[in-house]
Amino acid sequence: AQSVSQHNHHVILSEAASLELGCNYSYGGTVNLFWYVQYPGQHLQLLLKYFSGDPLVKGIKGFEAEFIKSKFSFNLRKPSVQWSDTAEYFCAVQTGANNLFFGTGTRLTVIP
Amino acid sequence: EAQVTQNPRYLITVTGKKLTVTCSQNMNHEYMSWYRQDPGLGLRQIYYSMNVEVTDKGDVPEGYKVSRKEKRNFPLILESPSPNQTSLYFCASIGLYNEQFFGPGTRLTVL
Repeated sequence: AQSVSQHNHHVILSEAASLELGCNYSYGGTVNLFWYVQYPGQHLQLLLKYFSGDPLVKGIKGFEAEFIKSKFSFNLRKPSVQWSDTAEYFCAVQTGANNLFFGTGTRLTVIP
Repeated sequence: EAQVTQNPRYLITVTGKKLTVTCSQNMNHEYMSWYRQDPGLGLRQIYYSMNVEVTDKGDVPEGYKVSRKEKRNFPLILESPSPNQTSLYFCASIGLYNEQFFGPGTRLTVL
């Protein structure tokens, strides 16, 4: 069965620190990849997505992610986090229109 | 404005009392889904619908029903809620490029 692993459950950073959140998946076929963010008390919002082409994708709010096919990974990065980035981040892998699998999420706390 | 709406946003109920959570989208999307979000488990798909009158089970369908009588609406029905269905529920509408537009969520507590 397909699975999505987010190894970091809770990450605590100071403002201006660099961020990298890991995401690995297990599926051998073609995938679409997503990162969603959920701010406290809010619904999920799309940060960025990868369907094909350049494996380095840029999203909103300065986030980017790199798809490494050989490693089945899609790690999220941001060079300098802000307090307002405090949220929960979900990686998701889509193997079909109705087959979207979410990771368990990584809670990011940014300390001012 | 393109959006997915859910009602109610918060609900406290008792075991066995039937309830319905509504979901509506104004983007004319064919695909819609329901998820539940639980701590440490991420989001898990309950049911999805590919079009009017076409629905299918997701990963955790037990205890839930859905209907899709018209394209814009996809209600989630709990015929006999139980405490293990206490959760945060999200409806999603799936766009042209397979990205999911999420509703604001419904926090359900079953006592």
